[in-house]
Amino acid sequence: AQSVAQPEDQVNVAEGNPLTVKCTYSVSGNPYLFWYVQYPNRGLQFLLKYITGDNLVKGSYGFEAEFNKSQTSFHLKKPSALVSDSALYFCAVRDSKDSWGKFQFGAGTQVVVTP
Amino acid sequence: EPEVTQTPSHQVTQMGQEVILRCVPISNHLYFYWYRQILGQKVEFLVSFYNNEISEKSEIFDDQFSVERPDGSNFTLKIRSTKLEDSAMYFCASSELAGGYNEQFFGPGTRLTVL
Repeated sequence: AQSVAQPEDQVNVAEGNPLTVKCTYSVSGNPYLFWYVQYPNRGLQFLLKYITGDNLVKGSYGFEAEFNKSQTSFHLKKPSALVSDSALYFCAVRDSKDSWGKFQFGAGTQVVVTP
Repeated sequence: EPEVTQTPSHQVTQMGQEVILRCVPISNHLYFYWYRQILGQKVEFLVSFYNNEISEKSEIFDDQFSVERPDGSNFTLKIRSTKLEDSAMYFCASSELAGGYNEQFFGPGTRLTVL
């Protein structure tokens, strides 16, 4: 069975500082990993994904994530956070063996960026 | 940019009543999903739907739940006799292809409150 853990309920960071949101996963097959962001009263918006290849994946809004197979992690990063990055971030995993593609989501991490 | 839409944004109902949540997926997408998020908990998979059939469902998706694509655009989730524990945010999602590396596009959600 697949699972995702986001160990931090909330991350606080000052604007301009680096932002990291942590995610670890467990799957039986190869993982397909995704990050989504949710702004208030909006649906989940796709940020980036890792399927195969380069471990560093770049996505929307200046975000990137690094796949680490040995640590089974896929942490989301942004070099310089903006106040507008304040939102709820979800990590999701899909097992490569799952042909229908359901996601297993983490619990979400609230990011608060202060001016 | 095409997006998934959901109506209503908020539904309040009495326990035991039937509710229908509506979704309009992105027009060229073929795979449809429902997820739910109980307040303070993680987003959970309910059901996936393809070619007018359920392709996969979770243990949450019991006989009280049903899905339908009544026409070429709408995708509905029906709860026959609502329970207090059905109170949650329900997200519809769609994707062009199933599984693997394809991201799903999510609607803004319907907040269901069962009294």
